[in-house]
Amino acid sequence: QLQLQESGPGLVKPSETLSLTCTVSGGSISSSSYYWGWIRQPPGKGLEWIGSIYYSGSTYYNPSLKSRVTISVDTSKNQFSLKLSSVTAADTAVYYCARLGYNWNDAMWYWGQGTLVTVSS
Amino acid sequence: QSALTQPASVSGSPGQSITISCTGTSSDVGGYNYVSWYQQHPGKAPKLMIYEVSNRPSGVPDRFSGSKSGNTASLTISGLQAEDEADYYCSSYTSSSPVFGGGTKLTVL
Repeated sequence: QLQLQESGPGLVKPSETLSLTCTVSGGSISSSSYYWGWIRQPPGKGLEWIGSIYYSGSTYYNPSLKSRVTISVDTSKNQFSLKLSSVTAADTAVYYCARLGYNWNDAMWYWGQGTLVTVSS
Repeated sequence: QSALTQPASVSGSPGQSITISCTGTSSDVGGYNYVSWYQQHPGKAPKLMIYEVSNRPSGVPDRFSGSKSGNTASLTISGLQAEDEADYYCSSYTSSSPVFGGGTKLTVL
């Protein structure tokens, strides 16, 4: 059974860079044709897609976040990562990693449990 | 403001059927057969319930069904059970990014 687990600091200061890693177990990032992605959910609000990545490194980002987002993959560690720069309080959210289908904007089939990141000084 | 419009809440009694709508445009829901639905219980991660408008992943009860007409997609839950009480989100493929609805809170009375 595929499992995903987010990890990273739970508190980030305004203007700094948020960094999270998603570790995949029960399957290999590089041996499948699936995309992998990040989604966030501000407290009490709805879901927002941040971006997707293929094991080859091809990336697709939400146009509203594109200038601040970098998603990368490390196939040797079976991990992919998110960096979001110049954060503000509006970036406070639960961040989820997920395995998508065969397209970068496909349905999200498997989800991590999520990690709350708070932006505050 | 979410890209897709869902009712804020719906309710039903055990055994009844309910339908949640998800309204978009010809650039998202109406333009592609790639609408998905997610169930989210409080404090938990979303769970995929329907993909490509009407397909159920393995393990999802057949009480859950999806459909689409024009720019509006729908999720129907028949034979409501207490454990169906949750938030439900629709999502659609677009050419620029996946977009979500604002979510619907389902209350089982």
